[in-house]
Amino acid sequence: GAVVSQHPSRVICKSGTSVKIECRSLDFQATTMFWYRQFPKQSLMLMATSNEGSKATYEQGVEKDKFLINHASLTLSTLTVTSAHPEDSSFYICSAFPMTGGYGYTFGSGTRLTVV
Amino acid sequence: GQQLNQSPQSMFIQEGEDVSMNCTSSSIFNTWLWYKQDPGEGPVLLIALYKAGELTSNGRLTAQFGITRKDSFLNISASIPSDVGIYFCAGQKNSGGSNYKLTFGKGTLLTVNP
Repeated sequence: GAVVSQHPSRVICKSGTSVKIECRSLDFQATTMFWYRQFPKQSLMLMATSNEGSKATYEQGVEKDKFLINHASLTLSTLTVTSAHPEDSSFYICSAFPMTGGYGYTFGSGTRLTVV
Repeated sequence: GQQLNQSPQSMFIQEGEDVSMNCTSSSIFNTWLWYKQDPGEGPVLLIALYKAGELTSNGRLTAQFGITRKDSFLNISASIPSDVGIYFCAGQKNSGGSNYKLTFGKGTLLTVNP
């Protein structure tokens, strides 16, 4: 079945530094990947839609200069949290949609970011 | 952004009992999905519903796509301890396609007492 690998699973960084999170589709190609943020005991909130070869589409209220998204290939999208602050600490999850279509959105296992 | 109304927020049940949870929306969705999320993990798809009125089963799980396309329910029969987790409903407004976003419910936290 479709597998999405997300790395790292956990990261701790200092305030002011940047962190890159990778999302890879292992056995399928994805023109579209989605990035979500989830706070404890809350639902997933879509941050942006990552489109291969073009600019990401950000949801209202999400700072595109702070959350940089790059979708350089059909199997890899990256989310970089720039100049991280403690309020950026959260669980970030990606999902990928196969090029071949269908309705299945496969999610990565998430990245727990802690900014100290 | 928009969220689906999912209830109940949490459930505490005994092993062997049946469970039911539902999602409603003020607008129409063309696809309904049910996910389960374990702590520290990403959501895993349980059931996908594509047509209004559709009733689909996956083992002990059964889900239905409401006739009005504004609601869906998920039933779990004969619950077991490993059913513990957070269950999310998600709706998609457009059928298929790669650029159609999911809208999530707030989740139902299920606890199963052995």
